[in-house]
Amino acid sequence: AQSVTQLDSQVPVFEEAPVELRCNYSSSVSVYLFWYVQYPNQGLQLLLKYLSGSTLVKSINGFEAEFNKSQTSFHLRKPSVHISDTAEYFCAVTPFSGGYNKLIFGAGTRLAVHP
Amino acid sequence: SAVISQKPSRDICQRGTSLTIQCQVDSQVTMMFWYRQQPGQSLTLIATANQGSEATYESGFVIDKFPISRPNLTFSTLTVSNMSPEDSSIYLCSVEGDRNYEQYFGPGTRLTVT
Repeated sequence: AQSVTQLDSQVPVFEEAPVELRCNYSSSVSVYLFWYVQYPNQGLQLLLKYLSGSTLVKSINGFEAEFNKSQTSFHLRKPSVHISDTAEYFCAVTPFSGGYNKLIFGAGTRLAVHP
Repeated sequence: SAVISQKPSRDICQRGTSLTIQCQVDSQVTMMFWYRQQPGQSLTLIATANQGSEATYESGFVIDKFPISRPNLTFSTLTVSNMSPEDSSIYLCSVEGDRNYEQYFGPGTRLTVT
């Protein structure tokens, strides 16, 4: 079975400051890793994903996440946040299975960017 | 990525009644998923709906409470039956992307049961 732990339920930060949202996972098999973002009153959007290859993956809006196999982590970072980054961020994993893959979500981290 | 719409976007219902939520996709997809997001919590998979077969329910969810239909490759419905206030949640459908490890989500249906 898999589980995902997001260590911070809320992260307040000032605009233009750096931020890190932490995610650890547990799994007995290899997994794909994802970050989803949910803006207020909207559905989930895929922010970035790690499948294989380079352990550092980047999104188009400046976020990046690094897969660390030894620490079973997939932390999300941004060097300078904007007010518009205020949202709920969910870390998720899905096991390699060859068939359809069930997404297992963490509890979410609410990022609040203040002016 | 697929474009997914859900109806209704929100509803307020009385306990004991049922609500059917519709999910429409702009392209044909094999797998569709239904999730529940309870207030302040993460998403939990309710069931997986494959066209032409019975839905597969996750532990803790049963067909009598959450019947699902999947009549074709672009549409699915989830019914929340005999509702109680504990069913107040956001219900989201998602579809599998071109790669089976990707999922795309609809905007959700916010249900309040009084």
